[in-house]
Amino acid sequence: AQSVAQPEDQVNVAEGNPLTVKCTYSVSGNPYLFWYVQYPNRGLQFLLKYITGDNLVKGSYGFEAEFNKSQTSFHLKKPSALVSDSALYFCAVRDGNDMRFGAGTRLTVKP
Amino acid sequence: GAVVSQHPSRVICKSGTSVKIECRSLDFQATTMFWYRQFPKQSLMLMATSNEGSKATYEQGVEKDKFLINHASLTLSTLTVTSAHPEDSSFYICSAPQAGTRPSTDTQYFGPGTRLTVL
Repeated sequence: AQSVAQPEDQVNVAEGNPLTVKCTYSVSGNPYLFWYVQYPNRGLQFLLKYITGDNLVKGSYGFEAEFNKSQTSFHLKKPSALVSDSALYFCAVRDGNDMRFGAGTRLTVKP
Repeated sequence: GAVVSQHPSRVICKSGTSVKIECRSLDFQATTMFWYRQFPKQSLMLMATSNEGSKATYEQGVEKDKFLINHASLTLSTLTVTSAHPEDSSFYICSAPQAGTRPSTDTQYFGPGTRLTVL
């Protein structure tokens, strides 16, 4: 069965600095990987996904993620963090209709 | 992107009553919708898969007689929490995939969630 792990409960960065939110995965076949963001008292919003092709995937709000097969990782990145990026971020892996989410990482960007 | 709505956004009910939560895909059709439950400071747990025109598929450990799911049309799925108890208090989120070439690659669009509080 597939699974994802987000090793950090909390990530703190200063505004303007680069940010990374880590995700590692475990799948038996080809990985279909997703990142979602959840703002306070809101539902999840799709950020980006990796299906195939380029290892660097660009998504919404200036985020990107790098698929690394050898390290089974799919870390979310942004070159310059904004205070408004503060939210809860979920990594997910999909196999058919079965979608598994990581535990989430709370990102706090301080001015 | 596609829009999924949920109603109500918040509901408070007494123990023993039933609560219905609606999930609608506003600008696309969804033959499949998913219901998740999110506990505080925890990730989402898939409860069930709602299928238009057929019975829902429940995840292991989810009581199908307690969490009734009806996929009434291609744009509407409802989750009814029957005989609610305080331990059912949670944040319930639905999602619908906008159909692509394969289910695995579909982008899921999530509703804003429903906060249920059972007194």
